[in-house]
Amino acid sequence: ELKVEQNPLFLSMQEGKNYTIYCNYSTTSDRLYWYRQDPGKSLESLFVLLSNGAVKQEGRLMASLDTKARLSTLHITAAVHDLSATYFCAVEGGSRLTFGEGTQLTVNP
Amino acid sequence: EAGVTQFPSHSVIEKGQTVTLRCDPISGHDNLYWYRRVMGKEIKFLLHFVKESKQDESGMPNNRFLAERTGGTYSTLKVQPAELEDSGVYFCASSQLDRGSNGYTFGSGTRLTVV
Repeated sequence: ELKVEQNPLFLSMQEGKNYTIYCNYSTTSDRLYWYRQDPGKSLESLFVLLSNGAVKQEGRLMASLDTKARLSTLHITAAVHDLSATYFCAVEGGSRLTFGEGTQLTVNP
Repeated sequence: EAGVTQFPSHSVIEKGQTVTLRCDPISGHDNLYWYRRVMGKEIKFLLHFVKESKQDESGMPNNRFLAERTGGTYSTLKVQPAELEDSGVYFCASSQLDRGSNGYTFGSGTRLTVV
């Protein structure tokens, strides 16, 4: 059974700082997704990582995938308040996604 | 392009009652999925439709849950009778058959509270 562990689960950081969210998974997969959720909103797709060594960047967020280590990271650079949200990683296996528990990020002024 | 639409957005029902959730996927998306997030835990898979057929329903918690997708368009998820532990947020997602580099599009969810 595929298991996905995300950490930290809660992250409070100051504006301007950098931080990394980690996503480990237990079995081989070549597709990993990062989503952002604001309260009461849908899961917004941030990144789709399709192969080992994939790195994608959008604004202050950068995601990478190491399929050999079964690890993905979501790096936040110079955080701003607008990045406050819950971030999920999800690994594709068969016809479904297996999600981590989510990281609730709060960026303080 | 309209996104994935779910309604109601919120539902509060008493234990033992019946509730039906609806999901309208993106037009042309043959894959439709239901997921659930209970009590702030991880989002868990419930089932997967390809067009009108159930491809995988291994995540359905028990026989109080019934999902349908008549005609391969919108889908409903009925909970009958509802129990307290069914409370949570129910998400629907859709995708094309061949996702390529695309992923899944999620709806905003239905928050179900059973009291």
